[in-house]
Amino acid sequence: GAVVSQHPSWVICKSGTSVKIECRSLDFQATTMFWYRQFPKQSLMLMATSNEGSKATYEQGVEKDKFLINHASLTLSTLTVTSAHPEDSSFYICSATGPKFYEQYFGPGTRLTVT
Amino acid sequence: AQTVTQSQPEMSVQEAETVTLSCTYDTSESDYYLFWYKQPPSRQMILVIRQEAYKQQNATENRFSVNFQKAAKSFSLKISDSQLGDAAMYFCAYRRTTEKLVFGKGTKLTVNP
Repeated sequence: GAVVSQHPSWVICKSGTSVKIECRSLDFQATTMFWYRQFPKQSLMLMATSNEGSKATYEQGVEKDKFLINHASLTLSTLTVTSAHPEDSSFYICSATGPKFYEQYFGPGTRLTVT
Repeated sequence: AQTVTQSQPEMSVQEAETVTLSCTYDTSESDYYLFWYKQPPSRQMILVIRQEAYKQQNATENRFSVNFQKAAKSFSLKISDSQLGDAAMYFCAYRRTTEKLVFGKGTKLTVNP
């Protein structure tokens, strides 16, 4: 099956700094990528949807200036958490779809801890 | 807006037994897809099974099968011969064409040896 990777798998940063999370589709071209946030024991919450070369579409309530998403190529999307604060600590998951929209593949997730 | 409801926050099953996880959804559309995803402790989301709404036949993947009742908007997952490795969070999800996936809140499945 198709593989989506994320890097890093775990990152600790100090409050006020920015951190970038990379998401790559390894063996397919991702027409659309998605970024989710997941709190402990909860479901996935969609943050934004991005298509290669165009601006991301953010879900209501998600601060686009805090969570910068760049989908520079068909295999790479990045999420940058700017001026991170402890409340941004969470598990972030990226996902991608290929030619078949109903086949959505998930990355292994990134645990962000802001101290 | 479409909603997905999983009414069982937690379920448990004995190893080798069968368990059914419930899922209902709300939509006015006739063409859509339904999914069950598994999230083990590693937190990697894994697709368990997919059902196309236009197909009357219930999808099956080895020990996993669904009971898709379109009129009732019900989509339950049956796990047969449960194994310790089946222990995970299970999420039911709905998607219509190119729209986003809508997830339920999940059911935590415990498998007792």
